[in-house]
Amino acid sequence: SAVISQKPSRDICQRGTSLTIQCQVDSQVTMMFWYRQQPGQSLTLIATANQGSEATYESGFVIDKFPISRPNLTFSTLTVSNMSPEDSSIYLCSVERALGNEQFFGPGTRLTVL
Amino acid sequence: DAKTTQPPSMDCAEGRAANLPCNHSTISGNEYVYWYRQIHSQGPQYIIHGLKNNETNEMASLIITEDRKSSTLILPHATLRDTAVYYCIVRAYNTDKLIFGTGTRLQVFP
Repeated sequence: SAVISQKPSRDICQRGTSLTIQCQVDSQVTMMFWYRQQPGQSLTLIATANQGSEATYESGFVIDKFPISRPNLTFSTLTVSNMSPEDSSIYLCSVERALGNEQFFGPGTRLTVL
Repeated sequence: DAKTTQPPSMDCAEGRAANLPCNHSTISGNEYVYWYRQIHSQGPQYIIHGLKNNETNEMASLIITEDRKSSTLILPHATLRDTAVYYCIVRAYNTDKLIFGTGTRLQVFP
């Protein structure tokens, strides 16, 4: 397994501001991902965080809105930019040691935008 | 889109076996069946996965039909702490994407 921490665990933000969420893993992993879970909904993959290069975004998600960094094999950040109330969700990171293995999820960051 | 179909909710008495079905009639030969669960307000937790043989670990058993078009996750002795949303996911071994469907909300009652 992997121990994953996220900061902050929750936040309340004003419309138009940005928030950066951090994901830290206790050991090196090959793959890191970011998901969004809107209220009462299932998880949706936002992007794959690639170490040393630009993230790979899923349909409907763009870099200007959700910039992602991954400077090394244990850390990644997701920024939610120019927030609106529709961005209120739980944001989760997940990791995978090697392609095809199980993914482990962080505890999530609960974001409320007023 | 998710390639699986699950009942939206199920109930199970504590101590009894919980059998959660999943339909994946369009599964391809290189796709595995994964099960995750999400306890309220927590990140999803990996349970088990399999290709075509039945699998068992300390948490659950996975029974996959011979034609691989459906599967059943079995929690042999459900406890109140097993109350969660259970997700059945079909995933190719050479892809990194987990596509979550709507899952089954399992309620274990005393």
